[in-house]
Amino acid sequence: QSALTQPRSVSGSPGLSVTISCTGTSSDVGGYNYVSWYQQHPGKAPKFMIYDVTKRPSGVPDRFSGYKSGNTASLTISGLQAEDEADYYCCSYAGSYTWVFGGGTKLTVL
Amino acid sequence: EVHLVESGGGLVQPGGSLRLSCVASGFTFSGYWMHWVRQVPGKGLVWVSGISSDGSGTTYADSVKGRFTISRDNAKNTLNLQMNSLRADDTAVYFCARDTRYAPDYWGQGTLVTVSS
Repeated sequence: QSALTQPRSVSGSPGLSVTISCTGTSSDVGGYNYVSWYQQHPGKAPKFMIYDVTKRPSGVPDRFSGYKSGNTASLTISGLQAEDEADYYCCSYAGSYTWVFGGGTKLTVL
Repeated sequence: EVHLVESGGGLVQPGGSLRLSCVASGFTFSGYWMHWVRQVPGKGLVWVSGISSDGSGTTYADSVKGRFTISRDNAKNTLNLQMNSLRADDTAVYFCARDTRYAPDYWGQGTLVTVSS
């Protein structure tokens, strides 16, 4: 049950793209196509942004996209906007109805 | 619209107990696994525990196994977390979350638990 590894921070200018990585093991990220991503603004609950590695829930802009290769998943945000500045967390199913989260990445929009 | 509202947080001494509740609305509560996730202020999200839709199956993080008990009352659309033998490192905001296709989709606003003497 070790946390998934994410960069502590990333930054990008408005209109450009950033990618946040999420590295796990064959017991979680690599073993299941059940990686999800969450956006969290200070003092707020996490918001569901991506599920099943690449799928977007209704209402999430297509600027947000997910990908996975082996034990590493990634979230790409294109056309950065000021309101995208937040903390982002990956989550993977880890078997037996357990989850494991990443340590979180702080996105700064310059 | 899906709503999850947690309650029961507060200040408790080390070794003490606390019971958290989460009332659900806007969906068929009895049709979903539910989970608790916690977050130390300023830190990351950590999965704590999950329970099957009918309550017959439960899962726990190693850090809380034997001390925390998850339960649910589908007649009252309520999820519970009984926390015993609390330690300082259990201090966190506790969120309840609905499980959809092996991912948490809807989250409550959280309730703060502080373990301190």
